[in-house]
Amino acid sequence: AQKITQTQPGMFVQEKEAVTLDCTYDTSDQSYGLFWYKQPSSGEMIFLIYQGSYDEQNATEGRYSLNFQKARKSANLVISASQLGDSAMYFCAMRGFNFNKFYFGSGTKLNVKP
Amino acid sequence: DVKVTQSSRYLVKRTGEKVFLECVQDMDHENMFWYRQDPGLGLRLIYFSYDVKMKEKGDIPEGYSVSREKKERFSLILESASTNQTSMYLCASSSYRARRVNYEQYFGPGTRLTVT
Repeated sequence: AQKITQTQPGMFVQEKEAVTLDCTYDTSDQSYGLFWYKQPSSGEMIFLIYQGSYDEQNATEGRYSLNFQKARKSANLVISASQLGDSAMYFCAMRGFNFNKFYFGSGTKLNVKP
Repeated sequence: DVKVTQSSRYLVKRTGEKVFLECVQDMDHENMFWYRQDPGLGLRLIYFSYDVKMKEKGDIPEGYSVSREKKERFSLILESASTNQTSMYLCASSSYRARRVNYEQYFGPGTRLTVT
């Protein structure tokens, strides 16, 4: 069974500091993809970063990086130099071999303090 | 840019009403999805469609049906709305032919449905 677990319902971080949002996954597929989405209070889901299961290097997109530890089945999102605009819900998701379906975690609400 | 639009941002309906939520995408995507989002539960897949007139049940299809008569449009139907269907509903689309290999899903802005 495919499953995504986000164990941090809410987190606080000081502006300009780095923060790590945790994500673990469970799958028996050999080929899969891991995603992070941001959902501001306005509700739209914004794609942030992607990591393929066969990618040897951790993905990076600007201030976002994905700390991919395949043996541990973890795909943590690292946001460097937090900004007030980073305050939002963050969802980890996985696409399995059947790439029609995504599996989402329960989300982490990040609050960036000035 | 991919655009996914949903017919309403906010909707209030009465128990027992038939409710239609419409989703339109403009990128010729084959796949379309309906999710509901509830606090602490994340996004749960209700139904998805990989082609016109094709549909598959997701994880929580009970109480819902869908229709896809045209490639760009995917409708979610609540046959007889109940209060436990009060939720945020998100539509998404994706393509097998994506230039990026990740087949990411593109989301609409969401419809916040309240059933009273």
